[in-house]
Amino acid sequence: DVKVTQSSRYLVKRTGEKVFLECVQDMDHENMFWYRQDPGLGLRLIYFSYDVKMKEKGDIPEGYSVSREKKERFSLILESASTNQTSMYLCASSTQAGWQPQHFGDGTRLSIL
Amino acid sequence: GEDVEQSLFLSVREGDSSVINCTYTDSSSTYLYWYKQEPGAGLQLLTYIFSNMDMKQDQRLTVLLNKKDKHLSLRIADTQTGDSAIYFCAENPYTGTASKLTFGTGTRLQVTL
Repeated sequence: DVKVTQSSRYLVKRTGEKVFLECVQDMDHENMFWYRQDPGLGLRLIYFSYDVKMKEKGDIPEGYSVSREKKERFSLILESASTNQTSMYLCASSTQAGWQPQHFGDGTRLSIL
Repeated sequence: GEDVEQSLFLSVREGDSSVINCTYTDSSSTYLYWYKQEPGAGLQLLTYIFSNMDMKQDQRLTVLLNKKDKHLSLRIADTQTGDSAIYFCAENPYTGTASKLTFGTGTRLQVTL
């Protein structure tokens, strides 16, 4: 089975802090994704990566950056956390074949105080 | 652009069938997916269907696709309390590399005794 692991289930940070969310997948997938999930808004794509050191902006990249130094790891960075970034963050991965479904981690519920 | 719509809430009695509906707007969508999200968890892939199919059955799950009306449905037979969750449909226009998905806002299924 595909395993996507997010480093924290719950995280509490303060406004202005630099926050790192980590995601690791064990299936040698080329594609990795970061979403945020908010009530009534569904899932919105922040960034994705289709190869090591490659990244593409999603629908809501403002205030975020990403890093993919190794194939199995995709990090989401909040450069200066703000309260409107309080949300559930979900990481996903998929194979290079574009039709293959994405597989998700359990999510990180991030609170910015 | 792509848009995916779902009703917000569905309540059914244990043992009855549940039908969760989804409409999408991208006529080029080639792949459509159903995910399940239990409280506090990530998204679990349930099933997916290709646009050259009208129906797909997998145990208690039946997916129906009406391409003319751009309508997708998920039927759960003999609904159990463990089926209580949020169900997301997602479309994949498959424009090439990474499989970018557009998600609906999710349907909360409540199963009553």
